[in-house]
Amino acid sequence: EPEVTQTPSHQVTQMGQEVILRCVPISNHLYFYWYRQILGQKVEFLVSFYNNEISEKSEIFDDQFSVERPDGSNFTLKIRSTKLEDSAMYFCASRWGENTGELFFGEGSRLTVL
Amino acid sequence: DAKTTQPNSMESNEEEPVHLPCNHSTISGTDYIHWYRQLPSQGPEYVIHGLTSNVNNRMASLAIAEDRKSSTLILHRATLRDAAVYYCILRDVGGGGADGLTFGKGTHLIIQP
Repeated sequence: EPEVTQTPSHQVTQMGQEVILRCVPISNHLYFYWYRQILGQKVEFLVSFYNNEISEKSEIFDDQFSVERPDGSNFTLKIRSTKLEDSAMYFCASRWGENTGELFFGEGSRLTVL
Repeated sequence: DAKTTQPNSMESNEEEPVHLPCNHSTISGTDYIHWYRQLPSQGPEYVIHGLTSNVNNRMASLAIAEDRKSSTLILHRATLRDAAVYYCILRDVGGGGADGLTFGKGTHLIIQP
């Protein structure tokens, strides 16, 4: 069964460092998402991406965050200068195209900022 | 997205049916009812969705009230592997379809052996 894959599974970084989290969505999917989940809290929407541009973003997704689909297969989330409060699980998701269709989530990348 | 209300937690026994309720009294005509679950240390996983009619798939059944103000996710025979947080989410498809999902706190389902 096709799946969304994310790398790395766990990254530890120092505060102020740049981090790139990578995702390979399911190949024929058109809509891509990043979510995060701080330990013990809700899954929070960060950003959605369609047709090579951001279609919606939340208040969390400030200027420190950016997304890119550089080569038609990878979908990346960059955090420019990490803060302690960026420590969380980051989930990538993708959806084919039907308006009501299900989102397929990856296993997540755990980011620990020290 | 319109708000949903779910119990914080529920407990059930293995091999018995489980009925997970969700209230969504402010649901609009273009809101689909989606259910996702999150197993421990994993990403969310789609379970089922519907609009007005009851729906069945290999994982579960979704019973939707006639007025659509509530719905129930039914696991017909719970296993230990079904222990997870279950999220009931309304998704408005009237606005173009590019939007993500808004997760609440969900219901933490505990399965006793």
